[in-house]
Amino acid sequence: DAGVIQSPRHEVTEMGQEVTLRCKPISGHDYLFWYRQTMMRGLELLIYFNNNVPIDDSGMPEDRFSAKMPNASFSTLKIQPSEPRDSAVYFCASSLSGTGETQYFGPGTRLLVL
Amino acid sequence: KQEVTQIPAALSVPEGENLVLNCSFTDSAIYNLQWFRQDPGKGLTSLLLIQSSQREQTSGRLNASLDKSSGRSTLYIAASQPGDSATYLCAVIRWGTDKLIFGTGTRLQVFP
Repeated sequence: DAGVIQSPRHEVTEMGQEVTLRCKPISGHDYLFWYRQTMMRGLELLIYFNNNVPIDDSGMPEDRFSAKMPNASFSTLKIQPSEPRDSAVYFCASSLSGTGETQYFGPGTRLLVL
Repeated sequence: KQEVTQIPAALSVPEGENLVLNCSFTDSAIYNLQWFRQDPGKGLTSLLLIQSSQREQTSGRLNASLDKSSGRSTLYIAASQPGDSATYLCAVIRWGTDKLIFGTGTRLQVFP
């Protein structure tokens, strides 16, 4: 398997623009996680899905952020409108099942909002 | 609220040294603890996973221990190599959740 795939790897945009980050989990994995990593706050869980259903979105910073998982092989994280403070590295991870299972991380999307 | 702290924040050692990275957590009601490695510009790679009922796990030159009662874990790296240079993160999952809570990380540099 190719592992968790994320696109784009880098994104530079201007404040107010819509940004869409994409993730393809490892085939057969039931759980998908979105994380954000910044120097100030470290790695934070934003939202996670089980069998395409959002389970916990308490980490989503505000209404400008939304995530979907229309099928088992694809998820998106959308920011609309984007702000400079959204600049961070966004990681997607997947696991075979939930609690206790190893999570496999993608390479991340480095987002810069000017 | 679970908080995870790692000490030291950065460490620089010569090749061949044995070293210990520390992780502490405030809530002992954890399901498991995991150690990850992150290389610059890359994602995270899982190194070791210790279930709450276990005391330690070993993989090659790596050994991780867990003491739930004191809220501590250590990652021991034997005979360090320049290829071990990376940031090491520990993370815990609290009972009843699937959420990983990450520590602040230790940036390790091993020089030849």
